[in-house]
Amino acid sequence: NAGVTQTPKFQVLKTGQSMTLQCAQDMNHEYMSWYRQDPGMGLRLIHYSVGAGITDQGEVPNGYNVSRSTTEDFPLRLLSAAPSQTSVYFCASSFTEQGNTEAFFGQGTRLTVV
Amino acid sequence: DQQVKQNSPSLSVQEGRISILNCDYTNSMFDYFLWYKKYPAEGPTFLISISSIKDKNEDGRFTVFLNKSAKHLSLHIVPSQPGDSAVYFCAASAWGSGTYKYIFGTGTRLKVLA
Repeated sequence: NAGVTQTPKFQVLKTGQSMTLQCAQDMNHEYMSWYRQDPGMGLRLIHYSVGAGITDQGEVPNGYNVSRSTTEDFPLRLLSAAPSQTSVYFCASSFTEQGNTEAFFGQGTRLTVV
Repeated sequence: DQQVKQNSPSLSVQEGRISILNCDYTNSMFDYFLWYKKYPAEGPTFLISISSIKDKNEDGRFTVFLNKSAKHLSLHIVPSQPGDSAVYFCAASAWGSGTYKYIFGTGTRLKVLA
């Protein structure tokens, strides 16, 4: 099992460009989520999905779109990149969501917006 | 307003001694608390969790203590090993909008000295 795979690992974007961060899991997990990690801020939830076709907003959703057409994939789309979106992005998945469920994280994507 | 706080950004401990990582929270509605460990250039990995109705949970060298009246939890690592050197995130989960969501602390960097 590969677990949770994120691509790319690093990306530099110019302000105003759009791009998609890819996330795929091979564990047949229903619940997937995207976080961003910023210095002094911990991990903050951007969007999440409880199953294929179902997505919802997290704590910091502005400037991001998601879709979940399959159980395996949960891409995160930056519509028009801004320097404030410079961050490390983590995708996570878990089998269910019971409040104490172990989440499996990808290795992260380090994004710089110039 | 940070609902989950890790007030110590870093901690150094001698190998073989006890490491104590602390976490404070403000929301009494949290149902579960979790600890994750993160190595550089990797995603966080789940370590241990505790229900809000318990005051202690133990897993090998790792024990989490919960003091609900003080809204405080701590992770004890005994004995500490150099491989434990990592950033530790405390997280709390609460039910809302049909699923559990997680609030992460800012992390504590633990360095275990050989």
